[in-house]
Amino acid sequence: SQQGEEDPQALSIQEGENATMNCSYKTSINNLQWYRQNSGRGLVHLILIRSNEREKHSGRLRVTLDTSKKSSSLLITASRAADTASYFCATDAADSSYKLIFGSGTRLLVRP
Amino acid sequence: DAGVTQSPTHLIKTRGQQVTLRCSPKSGHDTVSWYQQALGQGPQFIFQYYEEEERQRGNFPDRFSGHQFPNYSSELNVNALLLGDSALYLCASRATGKMGDEQFFGPGTRLTVL
Repeated sequence: SQQGEEDPQALSIQEGENATMNCSYKTSINNLQWYRQNSGRGLVHLILIRSNEREKHSGRLRVTLDTSKKSSSLLITASRAADTASYFCATDAADSSYKLIFGSGTRLLVRP
Repeated sequence: DAGVTQSPTHLIKTRGQQVTLRCSPKSGHDTVSWYQQALGQGPQFIFQYYEEEERQRGNFPDRFSGHQFPNYSSELNVNALLLGDSALYLCASRATGKMGDEQFFGPGTRLTVL
């Protein structure tokens, strides 16, 4: 079963706009990772945020984590057509089970 | 520095056949995990290998088995293929001992079962 749920399931924006995706999860975690996937290909690692961190930046990406609400958000600023992809959050559970649990993803379309 | 590699890229099999997928981890990584991703879904954890042993297993039947070699590369075997096994199979690697560090994924193998 999926641990995380992304919201929205699909998002369509104009190039230059910001895109925000949300992820909720159920159990305590060591960290949360965001991945991008283009057209059913492999997953590209974007950013990892640890359970003791609240915010992290990488280029045009900003990730927040609220462990009290068991939620995270991914913000992509000044979006580009090349950002069109599916985005997944994945949690690394605190039970040392060594597995990632993924949500169902957000499909982002950036219109030129 | 090569990332995670997988072979083959695509594979077509018929029901009842057996298939073997291969994965080489990122340099410096010793732990390999396999995931199955059905169309329109997020990846589902199959199992993880470390020190040539299965360390953790997801909710998959025994038809799914694996192996890890001394050079840390890994194979995923699926027996008695079903139509529902059609999916993208992803391999991920990490360096054990760095709990919480990133897992990097390969490009995947697209398996189609007819």
